[in-house]
Amino acid sequence: QKEVEQNSGPLSVPEGAIASLNCTYSDRGSQSFFWYRQYSGKSPELIMSIYSNGDKEDGRFTAQLNKASQYVSLLIRDSQPSDSATYLCAVYAAGNKLTFGGGTRVLVKP
Amino acid sequence: EAGVVQSPRYKIIEKKQPVAFWCNPISGHNTLYWYRQNLGQGPELLIRYENEEAVDDSQLPKDRFSAERLKGVDSTLKIQPAELGDSAVYLCASSREAGVYNEQFFGPGTRLTVL
Repeated sequence: QKEVEQNSGPLSVPEGAIASLNCTYSDRGSQSFFWYRQYSGKSPELIMSIYSNGDKEDGRFTAQLNKASQYVSLLIRDSQPSDSATYLCAVYAAGNKLTFGGGTRVLVKP
Repeated sequence: EAGVVQSPRYKIIEKKQPVAFWCNPISGHNTLYWYRQNLGQGPELLIRYENEEAVDDSQLPKDRFSAERLKGVDSTLKIQPAELGDSAVYLCASSREAGVYNEQFFGPGTRLTVL
C-alpha cells in the first residue's frame, strides 16, 4: 500500500463546475496535509495547507480533512481552464518527511 | 520575497559523466530539501538539510550522489557517474524551519537527461 494515494485521472470537468479531488494516506499519526498544483513542465506550487479536521477555504479552493477516515480532499469551485494541471497531495508522515501522492490530472473543458 | 533559485534549468549529459545542480533557498529559510521527480510521479525526497547539517539522507544513493550545504545557505547536489535511470527533474525546496507545520516552497527544478 502506498503511503499517499491519489487517482491519477484525468478528471474532466466542465468550465464553471466543481472539481473534487481525493487523497488517502496510510500513516494514522500524520498531522499536516498540503495540496500543490503543478502545471506541465513546471514545479509544484503550494495552494493549500490543512492541519485540523474540517474544511478550510481559500478563494475558489476548499480543503477538507477527515483524520478518522484518513483522507483529505480538495474542491475547486467555478473551475476555469487555467485550473487544468496536476494536483499533488502531500502528507507529513513519520520522521518529518513530506510524502507525495502521484497526483491527479485535472482537465477543465470550456 | 524572492523564491527558490536553481540552476541550470536543463542539463543533457552522456552516461558516466558527472553533473551538479545548485540551489539558493528563500532568504531566512533554514531547511533545504532536494527531491527527484520522475515523469508521472510525485516528488521523492533525496536529502534534507537543517542549516548545514544533513539530517535525513536515507533516500540518497550514496554510491553516486553527494550533496553539500556550505554555510547553511546554498546547496549543491552532485551525481558521479550519471546513469540512464537518473534522468528526472531535480527539485530544490526550502522551508522556514523543519517540522510538520512548515510549508515547503519549490524552485523551478533542473531537468536532467542522461543519454
